[in-house]
Amino acid sequence: AQSVTQPDIHITVSEGASLELRCNYSYGATPYLFWYVQSPGQGLQLLLKYFSGDTLVQGIKGFEAEFKRSQSSFNLRKPSVHWSDAAEYFCAVGDTTSGTYKYIFGTGTRLKVLA
Amino acid sequence: DTGVSQNPRHKITKRGQNVTFRCDPISEHNRLYWYRQTLGQGPEFLTYFQNEAQLEKSRLLSDRFSAERPKGSFSTLEIQRTEQGDSAMYLCASSPPLSRHTGELFFGEGSRLTVL
Repeated sequence: AQSVTQPDIHITVSEGASLELRCNYSYGATPYLFWYVQSPGQGLQLLLKYFSGDTLVQGIKGFEAEFKRSQSSFNLRKPSVHWSDAAEYFCAVGDTTSGTYKYIFGTGTRLKVLA
Repeated sequence: DTGVSQNPRHKITKRGQNVTFRCDPISEHNRLYWYRQTLGQGPEFLTYFQNEAQLEKSRLLSDRFSAERPKGSFSTLEIQRTEQGDSAMYLCASSPPLSRHTGELFFGEGSRLTVL
């Protein structure tokens, strides 16, 4: 069955430090992969997506992610974190096998940024 | 281009009452999805419509839940005899027809339900 694992429930970093959020997926075919950010009380905002091609994808707000098929991973990175990046981050895989193209989400990683 | 619109944004109700949420997708998006997100969890798939046809329902969608999309445009999600465990954020998403599908779902801001 398809699944997404985000091993880190909480992460705390200092402002200006680098960031890496982990995401592992289980999926039989070539996955569509996504990272979303959610601020408190807000909806989901798409940071970046991977469908095919270059395995390093760039997104908004200075985020990037790298697809590694051999490791079934799609980790999110940012070289220098800003206080406004404090939020919850969700990794998702798009299920294309059933024709619905629905997403399967991970449980999220809550990011805290220290001043 | 307006995004996905959900109403109401917040709903507080007493246990046992019925509630209904509405989702207006992006125009010309024929695919519509409902998700539920509880505190500290990622969104969980509830149901999927293609035009007016409800093609998939999650086991999470108990008999007290019903979703409709009567004309293939807006959709409603009704919860009957609400329970405290129904307290959650209900998210709606839409996407274009398969011929123009990029794999991306477009999410609304969500409707937050609190059952007292």
